[in-house]
Amino acid sequence: NTVLTQSPTSMLISVGDRVTMNCKASQNVGTNVDWYRQKTGQSPKLLIYGASNRYTGVPNRFTGSGSGTDFTLTISNMQAEDLAVYYCLQYNYNPPTFGTGTKLELK
Amino acid sequence: EVQLVESGGGLVQPGRSLRLSCVASGFTFNNYWMTWIRQAPGKGLEWVASISNTGGRSYYPDSVKGRFTISRDNAKSTLYLQMNSLRSEDTATYYCTRAGVYGGYGAYWGQGTLVTVSS
Repeated sequence: NTVLTQSPTSMLISVGDRVTMNCKASQNVGTNVDWYRQKTGQSPKLLIYGASNRYTGVPNRFTGSGSGTDFTLTISNMQAEDLAVYYCLQYNYNPPTFGTGTKLELK
Repeated sequence: EVQLVESGGGLVQPGRSLRLSCVASGFTFNNYWMTWIRQAPGKGLEWVASISNTGGRSYYPDSVKGRFTISRDNAKSTLYLQMNSLRSEDTATYYCTRAGVYGGYGAYWGQGTLVTVSS
């Protein structure tokens, strides 16, 4: 199975910060990577599909980049509502696999 | 508005069965692949099963293959997950998800239904 390693595991941030998190795949997954945000007690929500495409209605402070094995999600101007766990997902190979998540917490 | 509403979760003993349902609305159900994804308490996300838009193809990870069966009734816009021989490690919130127009697995998610496997 394709293993996705997310880093860091957690981050202490302040509102207004620029935040960058990473997702590294154990093999080449092309650009078949999505990013999700899951707030506490809620279902995950799709932010980025195909590594770099912002989904409908997602604010432009979210930017995805990368291809192959290395992917990045950047949040510019962090908002309080962005305090959550972020997951990457690869769907280039079966089975689709998720990363272990990056948790954003308030400093 | 796309809506996915799961039901059928609850407390079940190890070795028993349970069937989850997901009623979809707000889109043409038979145009999309559908998926079940689960999340154990305090843990990450795990893909459980996917089914093609016609129901003719389905896929599972090794962890549930032979025990779980995904199916759909396009006339009722409803997705199902039949879970047999349940184990304690199947305890999780189960989410019904819809593919995006681009593909993928989780453009839309339901609110989830909790399955607890315990004696």
